[in-house]
Amino acid sequence: EAGVAQSPRYKIIEKRQSVAFWCNPISGHATLYWYQQILGQGPKLLIQFQNNGVVDDSQLPKDRFSAERLKGVDSTLKIQPAKLEDSAVYLCASSQSPTGGTRYGYTFGSGTRLTVV
Amino acid sequence: KQEVTQIPAALSVPEGENLVLNCSFTDSAIYNLQWFRQDPGKGLTSLLLIQSSQREQTSGRLNASLDKSSGRSTLYIAASQPGDSATYLCAVRPNFNKFYFGSGTKLNVKP
Repeated sequence: EAGVAQSPRYKIIEKRQSVAFWCNPISGHATLYWYQQILGQGPKLLIQFQNNGVVDDSQLPKDRFSAERLKGVDSTLKIQPAKLEDSAVYLCASSQSPTGGTRYGYTFGSGTRLTVV
Repeated sequence: KQEVTQIPAALSVPEGENLVLNCSFTDSAIYNLQWFRQDPGKGLTSLLLIQSSQREQTSGRLNASLDKSSGRSTLYIAASQPGDSATYLCAVRPNFNKFYFGSGTKLNVKP
């Protein structure tokens, strides 16, 4: 099966600019996650969608970050305005159900590496 | 709040050696624990998933154990190879939703 697709792979922007990332999950996967991974750290959940609805966005900096999942399929994550500390890899993951459902229920994309200068 | 710690942060071993990566977590009320591998510039690849009721899981040269009461998991890699070089991440799930990740162990296996 095709994996989780993310674009762009790399993005360099100046602080205070805006940026958007796109994720296309595995077909049929109802649950979609956005994680932020700062260099040298483990990924941190930003937001979880179940179909169209938000399940958990407790760690999303809502003053500058926003995310949507239209029609329960693709998702976009936006940062506006960006800060230097937003430099990180943004990973998208999907699963068939909140619990995974299979031995390897969570599939991650390759990520988007954001550099804010 | 769940805290996940991985030791060591980096490890360099000669090819063929058996090695152990450690993961500890502060809250033993977990749904499951998962070990991932991350190659530079790539996403995360799932290696092993251990449910809270299980003690260990094996896949090829990999064996992961879970001691929920003490908040510990280990990933054992037998007969290491240069292709095993990557960052290994431990993640615990306290409910049906998000993972809490450790910072990872960066492994280098020298030919």
